[in-house]
Amino acid sequence: GAVVSQHPSWVICKSGTSVKIECRSLDFQATTMFWYRQFPKQSLMLMATSNEGSKATYEQGVEKDKFLINHASLTLSTLTVTSAHPEDSSFYICSARRTSGQGYFSTGELFFGEGSRLTVL
Amino acid sequence: DAKTTQPPSMDCAEGRAANLPCNHSTISGNEYVYWYRQIHSQGPQYIIHGLKNNETNEMASLIITEDRKSSTLILPHATLRDTAVYYCIVRGNNQGGKLIFGQGTELSVKP
Repeated sequence: GAVVSQHPSWVICKSGTSVKIECRSLDFQATTMFWYRQFPKQSLMLMATSNEGSKATYEQGVEKDKFLINHASLTLSTLTVTSAHPEDSSFYICSARRTSGQGYFSTGELFFGEGSRLTVL
Repeated sequence: DAKTTQPPSMDCAEGRAANLPCNHSTISGNEYVYWYRQIHSQGPQYIIHGLKNNETNEMASLIITEDRKSSTLILPHATLRDTAVYYCIVRGNNQGGKLIFGQGTELSVKP
């Protein structure tokens, strides 16, 4: 099946530093990727839609200058948490949508990474 | 906003069928019903999706009512490894692929 990989799977950083999380689609091309965050005991909250070759679309209430998204290729999107603070500590999850024309309807077309746990001290 | 309502938690005995309900009374004609599950501290896993016909795959069956206002995910023989949060999501294929998650149902499979 389709595989989406995130790196790092967990990271600890000091307050005020920036952290980059990578999301890769390993065996398919993804023109669109999505970034979610999840706090303990809560559901996933969509942060933004990452589009290859164009600017990301952020959900209401998500600071685009805080959460920088770059989707430079069809297999890689990155999320950078800038000037991280303890309240940014969360589980960040990406998903990738397989590009049309590769038979995606048979599997529901959206594949998730394993998540990256960020702890800001 | 999530367009589905699910019970917050359910228990199921190992080996028995787990029937997880979902209400989506405002579903529109072009919206599909998707089910994902999330095992603790992992990314969500796709289970099944459907439009109006019942669907079955190697993981589960999806039963959608005739009026499409509700559906049931059936895990025919639940195992301990099926313990997870199960999310029912409705989405149209013209919505760019994004999934909006509700609170889901936390299924506990017990020995």
